[in-house]
Amino acid sequence: DIVMTQSPDSLAVSLGERATINCKSSQSVLYSSNNKNYLAWYQQKPGQPPKLLIYWASTRESGVPDRFSGSGSGTDFTLTISSLQAEDVAFYYCQQYYSTLPITFGPGTKVDIK
Amino acid sequence: EVQLLESGGGLVQPGGSLRLSCAASGFTFSTCAMGWVRQAPGKGLEWVSVISGSGGTIYYTDSVKGRFTISRDNSKNTLYLQMNSLRAEDTAVYYCVKVPPVVVFAAYYFDYWGQGTLVTVSS
Repeated sequence: DIVMTQSPDSLAVSLGERATINCKSSQSVLYSSNNKNYLAWYQQKPGQPPKLLIYWASTRESGVPDRFSGSGSGTDFTLTISSLQAEDVAFYYCQQYYSTLPITFGPGTKVDIK
Repeated sequence: EVQLLESGGGLVQPGGSLRLSCAASGFTFSTCAMGWVRQAPGKGLEWVSVISGSGGTIYYTDSVKGRFTISRDNSKNTLYLQMNSLRAEDTAVYYCVKVPPVVVFAAYYFDYWGQGTLVTVSS
């Protein structure tokens, strides 16, 4: 199994400040034949289902504000919220889809307002 | 507008069975892989199963193999999850999820999620 870890477990950031969440996979999720990183990010607000933010490690889903960005390659990835807004309070999960046996999520990172 | 509407959750005793359904609309159902992801109370996300658009390719997480069966009826735009031999650890909200239309083979990330249906396994 590809094990996904995230850091920190939680963070509190002032409104308008940058929030950075890290995700690490136990093996590379970069597929050499197409040079794509099989890594997605989701946001889950309380009482709601998750919402896709980023796929292919850095491609923003349609309608997602541009303050959300994804970066990284291989085994190390980052989700950055450039200027935290009140509506960004949520859990954030990374997911690898390089291997379907099984597809795995990170444990989640909780983002709050300081 | 894409909509995924789950149904079939509820309270069941250990060893019992349930069948979840997911009615899909707003997209060409047969062209998209679909799946189930669950979330135990207060916990993170766990992928359960995925099925290709034709139904010919299916994957399960190890903990449900032999107990759960995913299927789809493309004529009814509906996804199913038959859950047998249920255990307490299967207690979770089960989300129906949609995979984007195939651009890259087996790229199973999830662009739409239903609201979820709660399955509680308890005596």
